[in-house]
Amino acid sequence: DAGITQSPRHKVTETGTPVTLRCHQTENHRYMYWYRQDPGHGLRLIHYSYGVKDTDKGEVSDGYSVSRSKTEDFLLTLESATSSQTSVYFCAIATSGTNEQFFGPGTRLTVL
Amino acid sequence: GENVEQHPSTLSVQEGDSAVIKCTYSDSASNYFPWYKQELGKGPQLIIDIRSNVGEKKDQRIAVTLNKTAKHFSLHITETQPEDSAVYFCAASRDSGGSNYKLTFGKGTLLTVNP
Repeated sequence: DAGITQSPRHKVTETGTPVTLRCHQTENHRYMYWYRQDPGHGLRLIHYSYGVKDTDKGEVSDGYSVSRSKTEDFLLTLESATSSQTSVYFCAIATSGTNEQFFGPGTRLTVL
Repeated sequence: GENVEQHPSTLSVQEGDSAVIKCTYSDSASNYFPWYKQELGKGPQLIIDIRSNVGEKKDQRIAVTLNKTAKHFSLHITETQPEDSAVYFCAASRDSGGSNYKLTFGKGTLLTVNP
């Protein structure tokens, strides 16, 4: 599992509340990614990081922000959750020099 | 940007038969093509990948073929077993640090292997 954990694994929240999802890795990988998975859309990249404090947007970044203050943690924040952000969120890491990506177990988020 | 199309969206086969899933991509600079298997309630798992310097790669019952001219690649599973039932995703990427190793995924294929 490439030493990737995600927390929480499940969360139910209400529209308008802030939500932070955490991705933690134990193997010091430089590259980390946040995806969302929705029926009929596959996996879509939200944000990614290529080092501590180095982040950039993916294809569906609106409404999301990220932070990476240390190598092992990559946080995804929904500043004001909306029902359209109900999804399963996956974190992934890439092993440097190979671009093989390995995924965490996912967080199921429901916004009521 | 890259666009990856995957077909079919669902595939049902009898145990022991072969299954083929096909993907096309749009960015001629893409040169890394992984395949992922996702079981219910789990994260995607990398099962095989191919880089553009080879046309075919095999690992036991699974194989991937790549046609760079036509910009398509395929996953082949032989002698299918019920435990092969899952959602399979293809993806494409430029194989360089400059791309930050970002993957573009197809929308997935639900494979059902009937005993």
